[in-house]
Amino acid sequence: DGGITQSPKYLFRKEGQNVTLSCEQNLNHDAMYWYRQDPGQGLRLIYYSQIVNDFQKGDIAEGYSVSREKKESFPLTVTSAQKNPTAFYLCASSTETGGETQYFGPGTRLLVL
Amino acid sequence: GENVEQHPSTLSVQEGDSAVIKCTYSDSASNYFPWYKQELGKRPQLIIDIRSNVGEKKDQRIAVTLNKTAKHFSLHITETQPEDSAVYFCAASPFISSGSARQLTFGSGTQLTVLP
Repeated sequence: DGGITQSPKYLFRKEGQNVTLSCEQNLNHDAMYWYRQDPGQGLRLIYYSQIVNDFQKGDIAEGYSVSREKKESFPLTVTSAQKNPTAFYLCASSTETGGETQYFGPGTRLLVL
Repeated sequence: GENVEQHPSTLSVQEGDSAVIKCTYSDSASNYFPWYKQELGKRPQLIIDIRSNVGEKKDQRIAVTLNKTAKHFSLHITETQPEDSAVYFCAASPFISSGSARQLTFGSGTQLTVLP
């Protein structure tokens, strides 16, 4: 778990503003994921990436964008098109071969001003 | 796509009693079923998982059972302790191909409270 870091811990977004959440891992994992968690609900997949320079939409990708330029980094941008961005955002990673286990970062709580 | 239902949403037990949380899934292609524990404000942590080629798996006080025919799986915690209090999530995932990232679909969570 300590090998995955997310920053910032709290993030405030103004109307019409794009914000970027950072996720870094030093576990040499190939796959990385972004989830959104709303109060009292389970985690929902936003985007995932199997390898560098590749990423796929999850169940709720609208209003979000990602990049995977480096193996260890998978930043998530919450765009102004995401009308209800207030949530707890969790990043995770897993190994490629037999990589079912996903290890989560500590999360970023995004609030709208 | 996959749909995972989890019950109950809240569960209170006396310390030392057992707790059971149940999940059902819809996609018969799902073959990996992890359980995560999340304490308040913390990251989810894997506590146990099971693959579709086995029906039961145990790890000390925790066990998971899987019924592929009925498409349901359950988490059993015995001799509960106050530190077991947390939100527990089940999830399901199909295997797509070797090397593919796993797309987990999560249940809505169960708040377990162990009363001293």
